[in-house]
Amino acid sequence: DAGITQSPRHKVTETGTPVTLRCHQTENHRYMYWYRQDPGHGLRLIHYSYGVKDTDKGEVSDGYSVSRSKTEDFLLTLESATSSQTSVYFCAISDRGQPSYEQYFGPGTRLTVT
Amino acid sequence: GENVEQHPSTLSVQEGDSAVIKCTYSDSASNYFPWYKQELGKRPQLIIDIRSNVGEKKDQRIAVTLNKTAKHFSLHITETQPEDSAVYFCAASRDAGNMLTFGGGTRLMVKP
Repeated sequence: DAGITQSPRHKVTETGTPVTLRCHQTENHRYMYWYRQDPGHGLRLIHYSYGVKDTDKGEVSDGYSVSRSKTEDFLLTLESATSSQTSVYFCAISDRGQPSYEQYFGPGTRLTVT
Repeated sequence: GENVEQHPSTLSVQEGDSAVIKCTYSDSASNYFPWYKQELGKRPQLIIDIRSNVGEKKDQRIAVTLNKTAKHFSLHITETQPEDSAVYFCAASRDAGNMLTFGGGTRLMVKP
């Protein structure tokens, strides 16, 4: 597996509280992504980053923000968690063609909002 | 934006049989089509991918075909084994390695 970790791996939080998920990579890959996975919906892109301080919205970005202050870390923040944000969150990295197009996924974070 | 539909949502086959999973996409500019396998409780992992300048690609027991005119692509697994049981996702992208749009997934069950 590529050097990519996520923390925490599991979290239970209450509605209205802020939550930050961390993705850390040791591969020095330029691109980083946050997806959420829900039954029947596959993986949906939340936000992605194409470099330090360079981020853009994905398909389901409402209610989420991201930050990338250094190459190895990409943070996903839920400013005020809602029950609809209960999901499994995956981070992924890629180097976009150098040497392959593959996106490598982290182990995932299971978030439950009560 | 891109929309990827995947069928069937579940597929049960007998060990040794073949399995076929089909996906359609909406954006004619998409040019990169990967397939990911996700075992229970694990992360998705790439098993094969194809680019729009190729019609078919094969890797041992798995193959992918692409029909750009009809905007659909398929995953073929031959001689299925119990360890092939997993959820399979197709995806499409305009630009390889970036902004993947995933299908809803197919749960493949291979019965021994």
